[in-house]
Amino acid sequence: QVQLQESGPGVVKPSQTLSLTCIVSGGSISSGNYYWNWIRQPAGEGLEWIGRIYSRGSTDYSPSLKSRVTISLDTSGNQFSLGLDSVTAADTAVYYCARGTSAMGRGMAYFDYWGQGTLVAVSS
Amino acid sequence: QSALTQPRSVSGSPGQSVTISCTGTSNDVSAYNFVSWYQHHPGKAPQLLIYDVSQRPSGVPNRFSASKSGNTASLLISGLQAEDEADYYCCSYAGTYDLWVFGGGTKLTVL
Repeated sequence: QVQLQESGPGVVKPSQTLSLTCIVSGGSISSGNYYWNWIRQPAGEGLEWIGRIYSRGSTDYSPSLKSRVTISLDTSGNQFSLGLDSVTAADTAVYYCARGTSAMGRGMAYFDYWGQGTLVAVSS
Repeated sequence: QSALTQPRSVSGSPGQSVTISCTGTSNDVSAYNFVSWYQHHPGKAPQLLIYDVSQRPSGVPNRFSASKSGNTASLLISGLQAEDEADYYCCSYAGTYDLWVFGGGTKLTVL
């Protein structure tokens, strides 16, 4: 059974960089047709897809966040990370990591495993 | 404002059926058969309910079904049970520019 667990600081100061890690257990992060995603949910709002990294290392980001986001893979630690620069109060949200895959065995069509989420508040 | 529009809340009594709609545009829901639905009990990890518009992963009860017509996808929950009380989110592929978009979520209350 694949499990994902987010970790990182609960508070980040405005203008600084938000850094989160997602530890994956029950499967190798570098094998198979899987995409490793970050998704967030501001309080009282819907989910927002942030971006993804393929098991081979290529990345895609949401156009609205692309200039501030970096997602990277750490195969030795079986984990992947999110970096979000120049944060403001609008970046306060619960951040989720999720695995993306598809029934076709290539590409990504849905998110089949998620972490429980971690709340990050941007506050001085 | 979320890219996909869902009702804020729906409710039903045990044993009844409810439908949750998810309205998008010609750039997402109607353009691709990559609509998925997720159930989220607060404080827990969201769970995949439906993928590829109407496919159920193994382990998801057949009380959950889904379909799509034009710009609108729908999730039908039959034979409501107390444990179905949760938030439900739809998601759609939106092409190589927007990539993935979600709905704002629907809170299901089992009366």
